[in-house]
Amino acid sequence: GAGVSQSPSNKVTEKGKDVELRCDPISGHTALYWYRQSLGQGLEFLIYFQGNSAPDKSGLPSDRFSAERTGGSVSTLTIQRTQQEDSAVYLCASSRPGLGFVDEQFFGPGTRLTVL
Amino acid sequence: TQLLEQSPQFLSIQEGENLTVYCNSSSVFSSLQWYRQEPGEGPVLLVTVVTGGEVKKLKRLTFQFGDARKDSSLHITAAQPGDTGLYLCAGLSDYKLSFGAGTTVTVRA
Repeated sequence: GAGVSQSPSNKVTEKGKDVELRCDPISGHTALYWYRQSLGQGLEFLIYFQGNSAPDKSGLPSDRFSAERTGGSVSTLTIQRTQQEDSAVYLCASSRPGLGFVDEQFFGPGTRLTVL
Repeated sequence: TQLLEQSPQFLSIQEGENLTVYCNSSSVFSSLQWYRQEPGEGPVLLVTVVTGGEVKKLKRLTFQFGDARKDSSLHITAAQPGDTGLYLCAGLSDYKLSFGAGTTVTVRA
């Protein structure tokens, strides 16, 4: 079956431009997560969507970052007025809470964002 | 600030040798997970440990969860080049995973 897919795989942009990153979760997975992985760092939680509940945005680093999830499926992470420190790999994960004792998150391959 | 500290940061060993990676925290987690990540891919779950003192074995990999559920270790016996990758530990609290910075393991043939 299809796993989590993300697009684009690579994105190079100029400082100050807006970018949109897309995530297609595994079909039937109600939970969706965005993480950021900087060089030499672990994954940093950004935002969490679960069903129709209000998203947990506590990890978003600034108001330039926003995300939405349409129809409980596809999600888009938008970064406005990009800065060089936004350069990182952005990873999306999905899960189906309640399926097992501990929720297993399945990760996509990530989008590598480079801000020049 | 990393909630979870992993050590060492880098590890390079010869095929057939053993290795241990450590994951330590001042926080208690309901469970702890270990992931392996290869270049250009997302992390893949290896194991979840839940009970303090728990030991899980996955072929040549042995995972241990500390009694106080604050620390964990990953031990690989007779490492092979296919074990090369970035190993990440992650503590679960509610639905959120807090990741360590990872240990890059290189196994030389």
